[in-house]
Amino acid sequence: GPKVLQIPSHQIIDMGQMVTLNCDPVSNHLYFYWYKQILGQQMEFLVNFYNGKVMEKSKLFKDQFSVERPDGSYFTLKIQPTALEDSAVYFCASSLLSAETLYFGSGTRLTVL
Amino acid sequence: GDQVEQSPSALSLHEGTGSALRCNFTTTMRAVQWFRKNSRGSLINLFYLASGTKENGRLKSAFDSKERYSTLHIRDAQLEDSGTYFCAADRTGGYKVVFGSGTRLLVSP
Repeated sequence: GPKVLQIPSHQIIDMGQMVTLNCDPVSNHLYFYWYKQILGQQMEFLVNFYNGKVMEKSKLFKDQFSVERPDGSYFTLKIQPTALEDSAVYFCASSLLSAETLYFGSGTRLTVL
Repeated sequence: GDQVEQSPSALSLHEGTGSALRCNFTTTMRAVQWFRKNSRGSLINLFYLASGTKENGRLKSAFDSKERYSTLHIRDAQLEDSGTYFCAADRTGGYKVVFGSGTRLLVSP
């Protein structure tokens, strides 16, 4: 079936540094999402992105977070600066239509030291 | 905020038996999706429903927007069905798909 690829699978960085998580969504999809899952906890919605704009974001999507997809390349989540509480697995998803069938990547495990 | 309440949190089945997972919604949802997390940690989409029921093999899902719930029925459970199942739903006019807390299913011989 359609695949969403996330790069890297693991990332370890020092608190205060910048990190960029990359997502290669399904090729013809138009809507892109980031979710955050802290170990043992629920999958939490961060943001929905469409046509170059954030359509909806949650309270977890702090000012230090930003998303973009320049020229149809990777859909990225940038955190600058990182904090200890940003340690989690971040999942990217895409869908053809808004909030319809979501396809997920395998996640990027981010560890902030 | 929108809440998706999923139950049970854990479920044990013997091979060949069946059961149902349920999600209740605290508000009217437009559509629901069901996922299984595979051994690699990826979420595999099982169903997308905006109404009614859908069936795929030994799995069947139902969604009642008015009554604010969705179910996932598993029949003739097999060992490979073990894993964590999630429901997720969105409101009309929203862009946010909210997840339940998951059901950890263990199928034993």
